[in-house]
Amino acid sequence: DGGITQSPKYLFRKEGQNVTLSCEQNLNHDAMYWYRQDPGQGLRLIYYSQIVNDFQKGDIAEGYSVSREKKESFPLTVTSAQKNPTAFYLCASTRDPGRSYNSPLHFGNGTRLTVT
Amino acid sequence: DAKTTQPPSMDCAEGRAANLPCNHSTISGNEYVYWYRQIHSQGPQYIIHGLKNNETNEMASLIITEDRKSSTLILPHATLRDTAVYYCIVRVKDFGNEKLTFGTGTRLTIIP
Repeated sequence: DGGITQSPKYLFRKEGQNVTLSCEQNLNHDAMYWYRQDPGQGLRLIYYSQIVNDFQKGDIAEGYSVSREKKESFPLTVTSAQKNPTAFYLCASTRDPGRSYNSPLHFGNGTRLTVT
Repeated sequence: DAKTTQPPSMDCAEGRAANLPCNHSTISGNEYVYWYRQIHSQGPQYIIHGLKNNETNEMASLIITEDRKSSTLILPHATLRDTAVYYCIVRVKDFGNEKLTFGTGTRLTIIP
C-alpha cells in the first residue's frame, strides 16, 4: 500500500542534542511538508519542499533544518537551537504542487518527540 | 494568518447528521476548500474537497455557498468513531509557492 511512513512513533532525547525525524513516502508525490502540533492547537508549518533539492521555510522554521536529496524522503532535524522541541511532528505530501490544487494532502501518523 | 474560521467545538447526537461550518471569506477563485479530521495522536485524515460545486463521497458531503465564502461539511449519520477534530483549510499560494495553513479546527463530539 502506498503511504507516508514516519519513524519512530515516539522519540526521547536529552536537551542539547540534535535529533532527526524520518519521513518517507512511496506515493511519487512532488511536495512534502513538516508540521508541528502542540496540545490543543492546530498544525503549524515548519518547512516544505516542492521539488528535490529545494525547500522553503514555513511559519516556525527557527531551530529546525531539512534536506530533500530524494523525492521520497524529507527528514527533519530538530536542533539544540529549538527552544521548545517537545511536540507532535507530522509529515505530509501531495502531488502537483502549484499546478493544481485538486490534490489531497496525505499525512503520516506522526512522531511524538519528548525532550527533557 | 489563518484563512479559515471554524467554531471551536460542537456536539452531535449519534445517528444524526453533523453539520460543521467554515468561513473562508478571502478565498480566491482557484483555491479549493479541503476538509480533514484528526483523531487523537494520529495524522490528519483527508475527508473531501471542492472548488465551487457541492461534493459527496463515501464519508461526507461538502456544501459550498455560491459566493464561496463559506462551506459546510456534513456527516450524514454520525457515529461515535466520528469524534475528532475537523479542519477546514484553503490551499493558498504564497509568492509562487504553495503553503498550507491549518487553523485550530472544530472539536466534534458525538454523544451516544
